[in-house]
Amino acid sequence: AQTVTQSQPEMSVQEAETVTLSCTYDTSESDYYLFWYKQPPSRQMILVIRQEAYKQQNATENRFSVNFQKAAKSFSLKISDSQLGDAAMYFCAYRGSGGSNYKLTFGKGTLLTVNP
Amino acid sequence: GAVVSQHPSWVICKSGTSVKIECRSLDFQATTMFWYRQFPKQSLMLMATSNEGSKATYEQGVEKDKFLINHASLTLSTLTVTSAHPEDSSFYICSARVGTGLNSPLHFGNGTRLTVT
Repeated sequence: AQTVTQSQPEMSVQEAETVTLSCTYDTSESDYYLFWYKQPPSRQMILVIRQEAYKQQNATENRFSVNFQKAAKSFSLKISDSQLGDAAMYFCAYRGSGGSNYKLTFGKGTLLTVNP
Repeated sequence: GAVVSQHPSWVICKSGTSVKIECRSLDFQATTMFWYRQFPKQSLMLMATSNEGSKATYEQGVEKDKFLINHASLTLSTLTVTSAHPEDSSFYICSARVGTGLNSPLHFGNGTRLTVT
């Protein structure tokens, strides 16, 4: 079974600074998808960024970028120029690509605090 | 963009009663929906996969007779917590798959906070 590990229960960053959230995963599949979701206090799950395993280029979405190391099974999220609105719980998630396996496996999350 | 509506947002019920939570895809058809449970300050745990027109697939350890799932149409899945107990109090979130391709994204509802007294 696939597992997703987020080793940082909490992180904090100063406004306008950069922070990196860690995520590692375990899988025997060669093709899969990785995601970072944000869950603010409203509890709404918001997709931040996603990465297809077959792509070597790291995904980027504005201030959010990932460092995808397939061999190391690592998928970290970098938030640049942090804003107060970035404060939330961040979840790393894995999804396989085989057959009907479309379900997401989530890590335990990292609570990000942004200090003004 | 694709919108998933979940209702109610919060509900309080008494022990022993049943409560139904609805998950609707508002502007797209969803052949597959997923139900998650989230305890305070914890991650989302997949409970079951809801497939339109067929029986739901439950994850190991989830009681199918307690958490009844019905996916009767391409835009609606319901989760019924039967004979609710205080330990069923939790945050329940549904998600729906947009499209059928492997790259199809998932969209989440706003969640339902269930409190059983």
